[in-house]
Amino acid sequence: AQRVTQPEKLLSVFKGAPVELKCNYSYSGSPELFWYVQYSRQRLQLLLRHISRESIKGFTADLNKGETSFHLKKPFAQEEDSAMYYCARGLGRGYQKVTFGTGTKLQVIP
Amino acid sequence: NAGVMQNPRHLVRRRGQEARLRCSPMKGHSHVYWYRQLPEEGLKFMVYLQKENIIDESGMPKERFSAEFPKEGPSILRIQQVVRGDSAAYFCASSDRVLEQFFGPGTRLTVL
Repeated sequence: AQRVTQPEKLLSVFKGAPVELKCNYSYSGSPELFWYVQYSRQRLQLLLRHISRESIKGFTADLNKGETSFHLKKPFAQEEDSAMYYCARGLGRGYQKVTFGTGTKLQVIP
Repeated sequence: NAGVMQNPRHLVRRRGQEARLRCSPMKGHSHVYWYRQLPEEGLKFMVYLQKENIIDESGMPKERFSAEFPKEGPSILRIQQVVRGDSAAYFCASSDRVLEQFFGPGTRLTVL
């Protein structure tokens, strides 16, 4: 079964400090990996996906197949980054089901 | 495109009543997913449907919960004989062929 593990329920950092939200996935072929974000009182939305290799709002995530990880990073945290972050994976090969991790709440302290 | 719509946004039921939650996917999307978010917890997968078919219901409780996505009309998540533990936010998402899921605003169910 596919698994997505986010080991931290809560991550608190000071404004301006680097951020790393951890995500590990169970190995199975060529996964598709995503990060979703849910700001307070807003709907969940896609932040970035590994296939596009882009940086959104200063966040990046690199797929490490050797460590089966897809950690989300940002060099300098901003207060507006405070939100719930979910790592997710698809099976690839066009299979539609996506499995979400349990989420990490990022709290940026002013 | 109005995005994924869910209604009602808030639903209050007494123990033993039925709750019906509706989800209208984005135009052109034929895949619908339901998730439950308990207070202070993460998103938990419940069921994945395509038009007229349940593809994966591995996250659905075995009793009282059912889901459908008819050929016409919205997807429905139905909870019979609700209990206090069913109080949660229920989110629906839809997708087309490219895997990105677009989420609705959620329905907050409160069971008194």
